Amino acid sequence: GESVGLHLPTLSVQEGDNSIINCAYSNSASDYFIWYKQESGKGPQFIIDIRSNMDKRQGQRVTVLLNKTVKHLSLQIAATQPGDSAVYFCAENQAGTALIFGKGTTLSVSS
Amino acid sequence: GAVVSQHPSWVICKSGTSVKIECRSLDFQATTMFWYRQFPKQSLMLMATSNEGSKATYEQGVEKDKFLINHASLTLSTLTVTSAHPEDSSFYICSKKTGSSEAFFGQGTRLTVV
Repeated sequence: GESVGLHLPTLSVQEGDNSIINCAYSNSASDYFIWYKQESGKGPQFIIDIRSNMDKRQGQRVTVLLNKTVKHLSLQIAATQPGDSAVYFCAENQAGTALIFGKGTTLSVSS
Repeated sequence: GAVVSQHPSWVICKSGTSVKIECRSLDFQATTMFWYRQFPKQSLMLMATSNEGSKATYEQGVEKDKFLINHASLTLSTLTVTSAHPEDSSFYICSKKTGSSEAFFGQGTRLTVV
């Protein structure tokens, strides 16, 4: 389950700031992790993924960090833009199984 | 990239009626697809795993007689909500996985039972 105090249901930032969204995953056997962005009324949209043999992966403006010791995953968004406003979910799984989603974090970006 | 098409995007039905939601893989075959349900301001919860040519595997607490899943072809899985009630109102989303484990999601279906 979630680590107390780690997950924030909402995060408000100013445009241009960096955002960090945290997630605690539950299954130590999970070997694949994904961050999704979900806008209102739409299905989840893939942002970035990472496998358990890595601890960091970078994409365009986004970075995912994985700490397997404490089962913690984070998503960093650089230079946050109003278009980044959405709900962000982390998800975990083992090969061949369905994704298990964490609780979402609503990111609000103000101009 | 892989594309999943889900239809309809929204539906309103009367209590007691049945609703069918389609999930179609547009680019390549999907032996396995997944169905999720999402209530307002909550996360996605896995309902069932849909396997082509065989019975679906349901998660604990999901009524298989109420949520009928059919995966008759490699590109189409359907979810039928039978005898729908207002408490079934939710956002239903399907997905399929690629060999690299990344999951691609449909657009979702907003079901409102009145």
